[in-house]
Amino acid sequence: AQTVTQSQPEMSVQEAETVTLSCTYDTSESDYYLFWYKQPPSRQMILVIRQEAYKQQNATENRFSVNFQKAAKSFSLKISDSQLGDAAMYFCARNNNAGNMLTFGGGTRLMVKP
Amino acid sequence: DVKVTQSSRYLVKRTGEKVFLECVQDMDHENMFWYRQDPGLGLRLIYFSYDVKMKEKGDIPEGYSVSREKKERFSLILESASTNQTSMYLCASIASGPHGQYGYTFGSGTRLTVV
Repeated sequence: AQTVTQSQPEMSVQEAETVTLSCTYDTSESDYYLFWYKQPPSRQMILVIRQEAYKQQNATENRFSVNFQKAAKSFSLKISDSQLGDAAMYFCARNNNAGNMLTFGGGTRLMVKP
Repeated sequence: DVKVTQSSRYLVKRTGEKVFLECVQDMDHENMFWYRQDPGLGLRLIYFSYDVKMKEKGDIPEGYSVSREKKERFSLILESASTNQTSMYLCASIASGPHGQYGYTFGSGTRLTVV
């Protein structure tokens, strides 16, 4: 079975600082997609950022960026200038070979200290 | 704006009741999913469907069934609710083919309490 692993159940960061959330996965495919989702206390799961494995350039979305290491099968999320609203559960995911299902990691709870 | 709508945000049901959780998407997605989310256990897949009237068991299907009579609607059924089914339930959908690269769209979740 495909697995996605988030080794940090909880992280905390000071407001305005930078934090990196880790994610590793397994696959035998060469092309696939990776995702980071955010789930705030309101519960709505929101897509933060996605990366196509075929592209070597790391994806960025405003304060969110990824460090994608294809050979190491690592996909970490960096949040710069952390804000109180970044406090949430973060889930890493990758799609299956058919591209129509995601496998999720166990999640990382991020706390932001004022 | 694309949406996945779950009919109830909070539900309280009694042990032994038959419970229906409804999920509707307006994106013409072929694939729909039901997950349950419990603290420390992440997202666990209950059932999924790749097409109308098709269903596949996920990792934890026991005690649940599903129905997909129309493409836009995917219902989760608890045949006889038990207290260990108290949980958060999330519905999601994703397009097939190249559009699947955009990942899941999730509903806002239903927090079910069985007493």
